[in-house]
Amino acid sequence: DIQMTQSPSTLSASVGDRVTITCRASQTISSWLAWYQQKPGKAPKLLIYKASILESGVPSRFSGSGSGTEFTLTISSLQPDDFATYYCQQYDDYSRTFGQGTKVEIK
Amino acid sequence: QVQLQESGPGLVKPSETLSLTCTVSGGSISSSYWSWIRQPPGKGLEWIGYIHYSGSTNYNPSLKSRVSISVDTSKNQFSLKLSSVTAADTALYYCARNTNYFDYWGHGTLVTVSS
Repeated sequence: DIQMTQSPSTLSASVGDRVTITCRASQTISSWLAWYQQKPGKAPKLLIYKASILESGVPSRFSGSGSGTEFTLTISSLQPDDFATYYCQQYDDYSRTFGQGTKVEIK
Repeated sequence: QVQLQESGPGLVKPSETLSLTCTVSGGSISSSYWSWIRQPPGKGLEWIGYIHYSGSTNYNPSLKSRVSISVDTSKNQFSLKLSSVTAADTALYYCARNTNYFDYWGHGTLVTVSS
């Protein structure tokens, strides 16, 4: 099974900060990676797929990069609405695996 | 706009079978794969399995022995059965459209395993 590891688990940041979250796969997954944002009490929301393609309607301050085993989600200028938990998810093989999540908190 | 809605009992006794149904509206179930995902309180997301409208399935290896997912195209629904549940199966259960990634989600339904 492919394991996904995110870092950090928690991130404290201020409005306007540039934020980067890393996701590492236990084996190469090409670019078959998605990123989600989840707010308390809500279902996850798809932000990015195929490592770097922004889902329709997602603000351009979100971007994704990487391929193989290492990926990043970057928020260029953190907004109040962005404080949430972020998950990566691989879809390289027949299974689907999520990272453990990164909580972005207010500093 | 595709919408998904989970339904089923919110309380299941230990050792019994958890059964949930997801109703798809705004689109045909005969157009994609469909998944169940769960999230224990305060924890991360765990993919349970997916089904294609043709009936082909794939399950999380860690749950495979206890999981069954089925589809009813006439009702635009798919269903989850998880047998021999324990307290560790207490979670918010989501259904989602699975085009490799998950682009449409239900709101989730909380299932508590308790006697």
